Amino acid sequence: QSVLTQPPSASGTPGQRVTISCSGSSSNIGSNTVNWYQQFPGTAPKLLIYGHDRRPSGVPDRFSGSKSGTSASLAISGLQSEDDADYFCAAWDESLGGVVFGGGTKLTVL
Amino acid sequence: QVLLVQSGAEMKKPGASVKVSCKASGYTFTSYYIHWVRQAPGQGLEWMGVFNPSDGNPNYAQKFQGRVTMSSDRSTSTVYMELSSLSSEDTAVYYCARRDYYGSSGFLDYWGQGTLVTVSS
Repeated sequence: QSVLTQPPSASGTPGQRVTISCSGSSSNIGSNTVNWYQQFPGTAPKLLIYGHDRRPSGVPDRFSGSKSGTSASLAISGLQSEDDADYFCAAWDESLGGVVFGGGTKLTVL
Repeated sequence: QVLLVQSGAEMKKPGASVKVSCKASGYTFTSYYIHWVRQAPGQGLEWMGVFNPSDGNPNYAQKFQGRVTMSSDRSTSTVYMELSSLSSEDTAVYYCARRDYYGSSGFLDYWGQGTLVTVSS
């Protein structure tokens, strides 16, 4: 059971906009920034969004993040086939004194 | 460029220990904390702890307290994670990752390629 809650799956067709939610509590998302990671099968996770809504160099601006209270969202606009991957949210948890992750969302591009 | 290169796959018997290495290059080794995260087959990511190469201090997740030891060799810019009393539930891919900061919050910007640890009798 993950501390952060994500839907296990999401889907969309090319060109669509999809959002993935991440729900937490006051001790994690409510008091710290949220980061998002993208992972393809058999590879290490890759940083996608940090500080709620900032993109590392090289990440397309189709990816955006937001936070409200104890929840966060990842939005992908202009969906492309190469976005078919797993997405994880993460934040520092003050009560646990460590990083907590969401269970991951498998995004399928139909 | 920043690289984290991990040691190769390991196969261990229940009750044994495993030590995974993570060799850093392309940046000042002592300037960034290293986190360890594992992923069981078909499962999500699980945080194990963080290590400060500057002062050698670790911070372990409560779940792994007493069973995990993180250390480093500054001469080779390598961080180690040793997990003892292995069981089949420890079968997973183990990742090291570098922590950078934005404001007062951290994020994992570079990851190792992962080390598969298989525990089986």
